[in-house]
Amino acid sequence: EVYLVESGGGLVQPGGSLRVSCAASGFTVRTNYMSWVRQAPGKGLEWVSILYSGGSTYYADSVKGRFTISGHNSKNTLYLQMNSLRAEDTAVYYCARGKTESGELIYLDVWGQGTTVTVSS
Amino acid sequence: DIVMTQSPATLSVSPGERATLSCRASQSISSNLAWYQQKRGQAPRLLIYGASTRATGIPARFSGTGSGTEFTLTISSLQSEDFAVYYCQQYSDWPRTFGQGTKVEI
Repeated sequence: EVYLVESGGGLVQPGGSLRVSCAASGFTVRTNYMSWVRQAPGKGLEWVSILYSGGSTYYADSVKGRFTISGHNSKNTLYLQMNSLRAEDTAVYYCARGKTESGELIYLDVWGQGTTVTVSS
Repeated sequence: DIVMTQSPATLSVSPGERATLSCRASQSISSNLAWYQQKRGQAPRLLIYGASTRATGIPARFSGTGSGTEFTLTISSLQSEDFAVYYCQQYSDWPRTFGQGTKVEI
């Protein structure tokens, strides 16, 4: 069975750091395009970051320079290191597997249940 | 960025009725559109890709149409489990963008 389980969310002060994790089962993180998508309270979905199978990365402008996506091959886990956190980063963070076409990530076919990050003093 | 606009924001439908949801792109995206369903407190689930292809395990009462800038998701006969928020997402250009969602309520 294919599934994703996120963990590591919590309450952090503005300016602080947090790392969220996403453990995959039933497929290999390293050979897929993996994403983080977030949803602020009562809001829609925002694509945050992508880790491509070749190791390159993509970040939304809103998090560029502050967030780092990475993977751990032996643990089959995806991470999102979040630094210099702001109140507007408060959201549920979902990891998801991307489908690809001609080397491009197109849509997301497997999602985790999400982990909540709250940035507040 | 391509802006995806969904309408209506909320759709009130009775069980057994037909629901029609719209998604409009700010520029042509061909058929590069996916639909997701999100139930309260749950992760989004892929319903449709390529504007009209149902994902694995999605019931036939869900159908998608459209190309270019205008797209529609139709639920032919609403079941109790279909009351949720539905999002469209374009994958024609970067950044990939989502619509703001349509809530289907009783």
